[in-house]
Amino acid sequence: QVQLVESGGDVVQSGGSLRLSCEASGFIFSNYGMHWVRQAPDKGLEWVTFIHYDGSNKYYADAVKGRFSISRDNAKNTLYLQMNSLRPEDTGVYYCAKERESDRLFEYWGQGTLVTVSS
Amino acid sequence: EIVLTQSPATLSLSPGEGATLSCRASQGISSLLAWYQQKPGQAPRLLIYDASIRATGIPARFSGSGSGTDFTLTISSLEPEDFAVYYCQQRSNWPLTFGGGTKVEIK
Repeated sequence: QVQLVESGGDVVQSGGSLRLSCEASGFIFSNYGMHWVRQAPDKGLEWVTFIHYDGSNKYYADAVKGRFSISRDNAKNTLYLQMNSLRPEDTGVYYCAKERESDRLFEYWGQGTLVTVSS
Repeated sequence: EIVLTQSPATLSLSPGEGATLSCRASQGISSLLAWYQQKPGQAPRLLIYDASIRATGIPARFSGSGSGTDFTLTISSLEPEDFAVYYCQQRSNWPLTFGGGTKVEIK
């Protein structure tokens, strides 16, 4: 069965950096695009970034463009999110999500990892 | 950026009643709309995609309709496990966007 396990969430000061990881299993990771979606405390869902199955294309939300970087290691079945210049408004649970079929739909989600940015 | 507006913000209903949730897009998105369910402390779950297609394993009491700018998620008869927050999401354009959510709560 598909499993996505995020890690790396922590408490960090404003301006700091953090790298999140998402370890995938139960499917052929190198065949699927992957996303990061976040959720601020008691707020709605916000799409953050996407990477094509082979890493050739990446897209970012304006709120994180230039500060966050998505990458993947298909040999390790792992997705990453490098977050720099963190701001308090970046606080929230970060989910990795697997696409259904190269269709920008979030078919499977991890359990999420909490990032807290203190001012 | 395509803005999705969900209404109502909260729906108070009893088990067995029907629920109708609305999602309006700021511009036409054909049928490229999905619905997700999220329960407290859990990740969201894909319910409906392309406006009306149920995802794998989703019960038939969930149905979706609409195209262009106006979409509806209908739950025909609420089960206790259906009380949750529901989000719509468009996949027509980058950036991908979600609606603000509708909470379906027990009356």
